[in-house]
Amino acid sequence: GQSLEQPSEVTAVEGAIVQINCTYQTSGFYGLSWYQQHDGGAPTFLSYNALDGLEETGRFSSFLSRSDSYGYLLLQELQMKDSASYFCAVRGSGNTPLVFGKGTRLSVIA
Amino acid sequence: NAGVTQTPKFQVLKTGQSMTLQCAQDMNHNSMYWYRQDPGMGLRLIYYSASEGTTDKGEVPNGYNVSRLNKREFSLRLESAAPSQTSVYFCASSEGVARTDTQYFGPGTRLTVL
Repeated sequence: GQSLEQPSEVTAVEGAIVQINCTYQTSGFYGLSWYQQHDGGAPTFLSYNALDGLEETGRFSSFLSRSDSYGYLLLQELQMKDSASYFCAVRGSGNTPLVFGKGTRLSVIA
Repeated sequence: NAGVTQTPKFQVLKTGQSMTLQCAQDMNHNSMYWYRQDPGMGLRLIYYSASEGTTDKGEVPNGYNVSRLNKREFSLRLESAAPSQTSVYFCASSEGVARTDTQYFGPGTRLTVL
């Protein structure tokens, strides 16, 4: 099976940089994904890493180290609208669906 | 395109009542999923359908049944609702064959069982 660990809460200041970590255990590995969910809303896809390294999309970047079973989501130039929950998710094989972590609630303060 | 739609948006049931949550997608996706979300528990998979005609149990299937009616529609049924089933229910869909398995979520159904 698969399991994921991520911090439950993170607080950061507007304009700063924050990193949300995710460690995983899985029997196979098809990549690490990140999803964002605002309060009262639905999760939406942010990024996907299949290979080691950093993927950048605007203010958001995602990193993966397969040898360490570790990844992180990096949010730069934080804005109040970035306050949300962030979920990492892994897929163990092509025949199994995503497994989500319990989520990290990010609070951006002025 | 509407993406993934769910009905109803809100529902209150009494213990023992039954109901069906409806989900439809217009993206021609192969795979569809039902999740429940409880505070501090993240998204837990109830059932999924990897392709039309197949369904499989997820992490928390007890008390639920599903039907993949056609490629577009995937319903979730609670036969005898219990207070422990009070939750937010999300339906999602994905192409199913891509390595990313990017999932697109519906707006959710907020269910309260009294």
